[in-house]
Amino acid sequence: GENVEQHPSTLSVQEGDSAVIKCTYSDSASNYFPWYKQELGKGPQLIIDIRSNVGEKKDQRIAVTLNKTAKHFSLHITETQPEDSAVYFCAASLASGGSYIPTFGRGTSLIVHP
Amino acid sequence: DAGVTQSPTHLIKTRGQQVTLRCSPISGHKSVSWYQQVLGQGPQFIFQYYEKEERGRGNFPDRFSARQFPNYSSELNVNALLLGDSALYLCASSLRQGGYTFGSGTRLTVV
Repeated sequence: GENVEQHPSTLSVQEGDSAVIKCTYSDSASNYFPWYKQELGKGPQLIIDIRSNVGEKKDQRIAVTLNKTAKHFSLHITETQPEDSAVYFCAASLASGGSYIPTFGRGTSLIVHP
Repeated sequence: DAGVTQSPTHLIKTRGQQVTLRCSPISGHKSVSWYQQVLGQGPQFIFQYYEKEERGRGNFPDRFSARQFPNYSSELNVNALLLGDSALYLCASSLRQGGYTFGSGTRLTVV
């Protein structure tokens, strides 16, 4: 099955700095890569996703890049704010037929210091 | 619009007991998935249902079972609880190939 590795496990930055979280996946057939943000006491929330036919996607301060050849993808957050502090999860999945089942990384705890 | 709702939010059970967790998906979402999240780790896939049929099963023992009802709500059952079953159980709903929307989860503590 799919295996997703995520680094770093903890990331501490100053407000206004950029943050980068990296993930690798094992199954070259995976074609859908969502990123989730989980705040304390809440379920994960989808913040951005990318499909394998796209190399990069941006949404305001958040961007995701995908390198299919190397089987890795990254989350970039610019101009970080204290409210960005949370645990971030990457996931990889094969979207086919009627459903897909994402495999999650272990998470990155992002701490943004004011 | 209501999001994914899960009940109960917290519960405490004794080893060997059985537990039933409930999930109501977003209106219009026909797919429901269950995940187990142990503290400090990512969610681990347990089951996925679509149109009341099981579409996927993760690497969990037969003590775990689930079902989906005609209104697309779902239940997760765990029998013969072990201490290691203590975790946050997340339910997510989705459109056919859309991103998941998670509920806030049920925190299960087995003592």
